[in-house]
Amino acid sequence: DTAVSQTPKYLVTQMGNDKSIKCEQNLGHDTMYWYKQDSKKFLKIMFSYNNKELIINETVPNRFSPKSPDKAHLNLHINSLELGDSAVYFCASSQDRLGTPGETQYFGPGTRLLVL
Amino acid sequence: AQKVTQAQTEISVVEKEDVTLDCVYETRDTTYYLFWYKQPPSGELVFLIRRNSFDEQNEISGRYSWNFQKSTSSFNFTITASQVVDSAVYFCALSEGSRAAGNKLTFGGGTRVLVKP
Repeated sequence: DTAVSQTPKYLVTQMGNDKSIKCEQNLGHDTMYWYKQDSKKFLKIMFSYNNKELIINETVPNRFSPKSPDKAHLNLHINSLELGDSAVYFCASSQDRLGTPGETQYFGPGTRLLVL
Repeated sequence: AQKVTQAQTEISVVEKEDVTLDCVYETRDTTYYLFWYKQPPSGELVFLIRRNSFDEQNEISGRYSWNFQKSTSSFNFTITASQVVDSAVYFCALSEGSRAAGNKLTFGGGTRVLVKP
């Protein structure tokens, strides 16, 4: 009965590889997000999708591509991984049926990515 | 542009002491939303509270209380009678009220609270 789930929980890979992180929410929410937490614990938004439509696209290298097959899923694909991509990636969701701002975001457990 | 500052990077207390975490925010919007999240050592982000800019009432939930003061752009968080399980990193966050902002959460740098037995 996990609300927001992410797979995998840990991901260790070599520089230059391509990897994906999956996120699913069973809360019936309309908006999903990806955040990156760096080694100093700083959290920054990367993307958000509302009903499969891209809403927020922060300044992120185009090696990062979100994909939303339906409103319950938002996956993150990363091409040509670099050392600096090592971080914890959090998925979140919120109920923003009409794009209402300020709704509470509920976070997944995070995916710890280590690029060697 | 929105900004959240948590000036205290780490606070260490002995169990049963009270601890107050400061949060100062900047925004040009008149409508905005403030949040606190807890990140325990296990790593997940746990939602604690949401406040909108029109509701300045302070709130208490068990040992947790929040003091929202628009005049000083602050949204401080107090843990009363701290316990070891309160040891975590606590984040304050802001979401602006315009649709263009898209409910983007801007986080402060976090305050690490260490409660010693």
